Amino acid sequence: AQSVAQPEDQVNVAEGNPLTVKCTYSVSGNPYLFWYVQYPNRGLQFLLKYITGDNLVKGSYGFEAEFNKSQTSFHLKKPSALVSDSALYFCAVRDILTGGGNKLTFGTGTQLKVEL
Amino acid sequence: DARVTQTPRHKVTEMGQEVTMRCQPILGHNTVFWYRQTMMQGLELLAYFRNRAPLDDSGMPKDRFSAEMPDATLATLKIQPSEPRDSAVYFCASGLARQGTDTQYFGPGTRLTVL
Repeated sequence: AQSVAQPEDQVNVAEGNPLTVKCTYSVSGNPYLFWYVQYPNRGLQFLLKYITGDNLVKGSYGFEAEFNKSQTSFHLKKPSALVSDSALYFCAVRDILTGGGNKLTFGTGTQLKVEL
Repeated sequence: DARVTQTPRHKVTEMGQEVTMRCQPILGHNTVFWYRQTMMQGLELLAYFRNRAPLDDSGMPKDRFSAEMPDATLATLKIQPSEPRDSAVYFCASGLARQGTDTQYFGPGTRLTVL
């Protein structure tokens, strides 16, 4: 089974500073990787995905993620954090269901806190 | 813009009662997922439908949970009888299964409290 790991439960960063939320993956075959964000009392929102092509993927709200095959990582980044970026971030990988079809396997989530 | 809708948004019930949660996937999507989110377990996949057929429900307690798609615009998740340990936020997500995508779009969730 495919899996992702988010090694940090929480990341704190000052507004205006760059932010990184880490994710590593373990897959057999080519990885399909995703980032989602969850604001309080809301469902998960799709941010970006890597399927193939450029290793730097740009997504919503100024976020981007860098796919690194040698390090099996897919870290989420933003050059300048905003207080409004404070939320729970999930990394996910496409996985195969035994009954057929695909699903997303999510990491445990990283709480991002951006402070003034 | 198109969104996944879920009803009710909040539900408080007593142990032993039946709970039904509903989801309307985005029009045209052919996959539907049910997830449960708790602080302890994080996000757990309960069930997965493609073209209304259940492909996987291995994450769902079979004795009390059931999931159905009566038609392409409605998915339901039922718990009977409900127990306090079922208290969680239940999310529905829909997507379009085709090569190179698998992006899922989540609803706002149903926050269930079983007393």
